[in-house]
Amino acid sequence: KAGVTQTPRYLIKTRGQQVTLSCSPISGHRSVSWYQQTPGQGLQFLFEYFSETQRNKGNFPGRFSGRQFSNSRSEMNVSTLELGDSALYLCASSLMNEQFFGPGTRLTVL
Amino acid sequence: EDKVVQSPLSLVVHEGDTVTLNCSYEVTNFRSLLWYKQEKKAPTFLFMLTSSGIEKKSGRLSSILDKKELSSILNITATQTGDSAIYLCVVNYGGSQGNLIFGKGTKLSVKP
Repeated sequence: KAGVTQTPRYLIKTRGQQVTLSCSPISGHRSVSWYQQTPGQGLQFLFEYFSETQRNKGNFPGRFSGRQFSNSRSEMNVSTLELGDSALYLCASSLMNEQFFGPGTRLTVL
Repeated sequence: EDKVVQSPLSLVVHEGDTVTLNCSYEVTNFRSLLWYKQEKKAPTFLFMLTSSGIEKKSGRLSSILDKKELSSILNITATQTGDSAIYLCVVNYGGSQGNLIFGKGTKLSVKP
């Protein structure tokens, strides 16, 4: 069974731009969560989607948004990028209580 | 406030040593505790613990949950340099589908 996939793997943007990241969960998994990982803040929860609905949301500004499609694939969007948004963005899909992470998208904001 | 605390934050050992990593939690409606290993990439799943006192084992790694003490330990025996990583403790708690709270991790460095 294929694992969680994320695209793109690496991305370079400039301040003020917007970016969309994509995540395809493991087949059969309906829950998709997004995390931001930075050296200073560690792993922080962004939001979780289940059956196309946002079920949980972390403490991030409204520039961070997401959605989930009927096939459980999810996208995360960040608008008006700031330098501090440079991070590894991880997507995880889950079934019951077990979570599996994708390889992440490394975003660099210049 | 719900929280997960891992200790120590960092640890340096030599190959062959045995290490014990700790995770304690304070959450409402605990569901499960998960351990992950993270190197220079996404975390990889190690164990999920739901029942107190039952040890889970995988090779040189083992883990056990103590619901009375609200804690878990992760043991690594005969450590190798490849065990160097950040070990994350994650607790699933709360409502019908649960929420996740991450510990800050323990950074383990194994010296040759």
